[in-house]
Parts: sequence; structure tokens; C-alpha cells
Amino acid sequence: NAGVTQTPKFQVLKTGQSMTLQCAQDMNHEYMSWYRQDPGMGLRLIHYSVGAGITDQGEVPNGYNVSRSTTEDFPLRLLSAAPSQTSVYFCASSYSGTVNEQFFGPGTRLTVL
Amino acid sequence: AQKVTQAQTEISVVEKEDVTLDCVYETRDTTYYLFWYKQPPSGELVFLIRRNSFDEQNEISGRYSWNFQKSTSSFNFTITASQVVDSAVYFCASSGGSYIPTFGRGTSLIVHP
Repeated sequence: NAGVTQTPKFQVLKTGQSMTLQCAQDMNHEYMSWYRQDPGMGLRLIHYSVGAGITDQGEVPNGYNVSRSTTEDFPLRLLSAAPSQTSVYFCASSYSGTVNEQFFGPGTRLTVL
Repeated sequence: AQKVTQAQTEISVVEKEDVTLDCVYETRDTTYYLFWYKQPPSGELVFLIRRNSFDEQNEISGRYSWNFQKSTSSFNFTITASQVVDSAVYFCASSGGSYIPTFGRGTSLIVHP
């Protein structure tokens, strides 16, 4: 049981480049989410999904896209990276929405130059 | 909208001291859930406890205990006889009727030997 996996662990981008952060879980969880963590800001929700084919915006969705074609995978796309997107990104999943605890991936540290 | 306040940005203690991390929440939901997560220096996020709004019983797990008081909208976390391994950032979070949980900004606990 791998839990929640994320790739890559580290990434450096130039302004304007695009990339996809990968997230997968093997716990058959319906709810998956992406957060960004910035110093002193806690965790802020970017996008979430309550099941395959269903996604919705969180608190800070601008500049990010997501899709959920399978229960297992929930990739996060940065369309045109900006320095303001320098952050640590966490993917999480839970059994039943947000009433249960979330299981977090190890995080991706992204730097945009 | 929910709000979670962790007023203590950083706490520094010496090993074996008891320490309490404060969490104050605001919500209009009648049913809601409260959580604590730990983020050690390695960076991963680890679930510690979940409480629902109908259960005000305090919880004790080894050296950890949690005090949930609806009258003061608080869900405080106490570590008894702290150890160096308790050094981490601790996040309090809440979720209610939406699928968007709210995290506090975190309290960094430093336990000195």
C-alpha cells in the first residue's frame, strides 16, 4: 500500500513554462485535493475532486487546472508558471469528503524563477 | 465561511515541559469536524486526531491530549513531558458543510534537549 504518491519531489521552472504535478492514491478514496503551503500561511486549498469526472475550485485556484479521469489519479497543471507559484504543493485524499482525516502525499517543492 | 486561528506562531520549550497549543475556530455550521495534523522537519503531514461537533469528550493518547470546548470554540492540544521528537509544526483544521477544509497557519514547536 503506497498511500498517496506525488512526483516530482523538486522542480525548478522558468516563468511562463508549464508543467504537471502528478498525484496518485491506491486507497480507493473518492475525495482528492491539492494544497499549497507557503511560509506563515498554513495550507490553502487549490482544487478538489469528490470523484472521477468531478472537480471544483478551492480557495486559490487561479493559475492551476485539474482533471480527474480515474479514482486513483489527480494531476495538477500549471499553465504558465509565475514566481508567485513558488511553493510546496501537497496532494491529499480521504475516504469521505472532508469529514474524515486526509492522507497527504510527501509534497513537491516548486521554484519558479 | 470557516476560520481557524492558531495565535501561537512559535513555542520553545525544554524537554519534559508540558506545552499547550491553542486552536480557536469560527463556523456557522451546526455539524463540523476538527482536526490536528503534525508536520515534522521531514515535511510530511501526519494526522493526529479528529473530533466532531457532537462529541465534546476530551481525548488522551499517550502523552497527547485534546480539550474541545464548544463554549469557547476552542480545540487545544497538550503535550505532556515533551520530547525532542515532538519538534514540528502543528496544524489545526476544521471542515463543515462544504468540501473546503480550513487550516490554521500552524504553530511551530521547538523542544530543546
